Amino acid sequence: SQTIHQWPATLVQPVGSPLSLECTVEGTSNPNLYWYRQAAGRGLQLLFYSVGIGQISSEVPQNLSASRPQDRQFILSSKKLLLSDSGFYLCAWEGQGNQPQHFGDGTRLSIL
Amino acid sequence: KNEVEQSPQNLTAQEGEFITINCSYSVGISALHWLQQHPGGGIVSLFMLSSGKKKHGRLIATINIQEKHSSLHITASHPRDSAVYICAGGIAGNAGNMLTFGGGTRLMVKP
Repeated sequence: SQTIHQWPATLVQPVGSPLSLECTVEGTSNPNLYWYRQAAGRGLQLLFYSVGIGQISSEVPQNLSASRPQDRQFILSSKKLLLSDSGFYLCAWEGQGNQPQHFGDGTRLSIL
Repeated sequence: KNEVEQSPQNLTAQEGEFITINCSYSVGISALHWLQQHPGGGIVSLFMLSSGKKKHGRLIATINIQEKHSSLHITASHPRDSAVYICAGGIAGNAGNMLTFGGGTRLMVKP
């Protein structure tokens, strides 16, 4: 069966520090991968998506970047975090064709 | 105006009540998704539908393509149904399903 792992579950970082959130998927090949953010009191927003290794598309301009070094690995990064980067970050995967998305447990990021 | 809107934003019900959450969208979509977000934040996909009706246990989702409207129904509600329910419009393309999310409906079911 397919599973998605996201870590860490919670993270507290100072302003200006770097960030690396990792997401891995097991039990499937060539998934579409997504990074979402949910700011406090707001809805989910798509940040990045990837249809293959090294292929990253961004939906909104921001202080973050994403990479997909392997087929089932999706990384969200920042060189210098801002206060506005606080939020709940979710990774999701989806099989090829018109399939539902499956979400990780999320990372709650607090910037101090 | 958001492309996907849900109502109500908050809903409190007594155990056993029949619950309806509504979702309207203004964009062309290939499928409508209903998601459940638990208090800890984890999200589970409940339904993905492009026409008609789907049923899973006590949950029923319907969609009217012409009216661009979908509803999520919960029959015989239970306190464990308490969660945030999110609808999302999916646009299928070369990059998979691009989801546009509604603001969510926070449901509390009291015993």
